[in-house]
Amino acid sequence: DVKVTQSSRYLVKRTGEKVFLECVQDMDHENMFWYRQDPGLGLRLIYFSYDVKMKEKGDIPEGYSVSREKKERFSLILESASTNQTSMYLCASSPWTGPSYEQYFGPGTRLTVT
Amino acid sequence: AQTVTQSQPEMSVQEAETVTLSCTYDTSESDYYLFWYKQPPSRQMILVIRQEAYKQQNATENRFSVNFQKAAKSFSLKISDSQLGDAAMYLCAYRSNTGNQFYFGTGTSLTVIP
Repeated sequence: DVKVTQSSRYLVKRTGEKVFLECVQDMDHENMFWYRQDPGLGLRLIYFSYDVKMKEKGDIPEGYSVSREKKERFSLILESASTNQTSMYLCASSPWTGPSYEQYFGPGTRLTVT
Repeated sequence: AQTVTQSQPEMSVQEAETVTLSCTYDTSESDYYLFWYKQPPSRQMILVIRQEAYKQQNATENRFSVNFQKAAKSFSLKISDSQLGDAAMYLCAYRSNTGNQFYFGTGTSLTVIP
C-alpha cells in the first residue's frame, strides 16, 4: 500500500514563527504536492515538485516555500506564519507515468496560527 | 487552467437509497483523467473511482459508478445502497494526460440519514 505521512496532525503556532510541515511517501513517486483546504474553497495547490530539488509554484504560493532534498520527502515552510494561514494542509504524491495516475494523500495537518 | 465545478455544496440521502453527485469541468483537451475522492471526517482522503477520457464505458467500483458524458463535460458519481460509512466530503478532480497537476472541485458534503 502507498503510504503518505505528515509530521503532525495538529499544530498551533504563533504569528511570526517559522513553521515546517513535513511529508514523506514510500512509493518512490516522482511528483509531490502541497495543498491547503479551506471550507468552500476546496483544495488549492500551493507548490508541487516533480523531481528532487525541482519545484513549481501552484495557485497560492505567496507566504510559502518548499524544499525537496530527497525524493521521498517534501517540506512546506511558512517563513513567518500569519493568521490567514490557519488551515488544513494536505500533502499528496503521484507517479509521473504508469497505469495508476491518481494522487495519494496524507492525513493532513491542521495548522492554527494565533 | 482547467476548472472543475461541483454545484452541490451539501447533499443528503437516506440509508439504502441512491444518490448522485454532480461534477462538470472545462477543458480543451481530448485526453485526460477524472477522479472522485472521498474524505471522511478527520480521516485521510482516498480514491473512490477513476475514469479515463478515452474509455467510453463508465467506470464502476462496487456500489459506486459514474456517468461520464464527454461532450457535455460532465462526470457524476452515483452511490447505490448508501451506507452510514459513505458520509464524507466528495471531491471531483481532473488531471491532464500531459501534465502533473490535478484540479479539484470545491466538494460536496454528503450526509447519510439512518
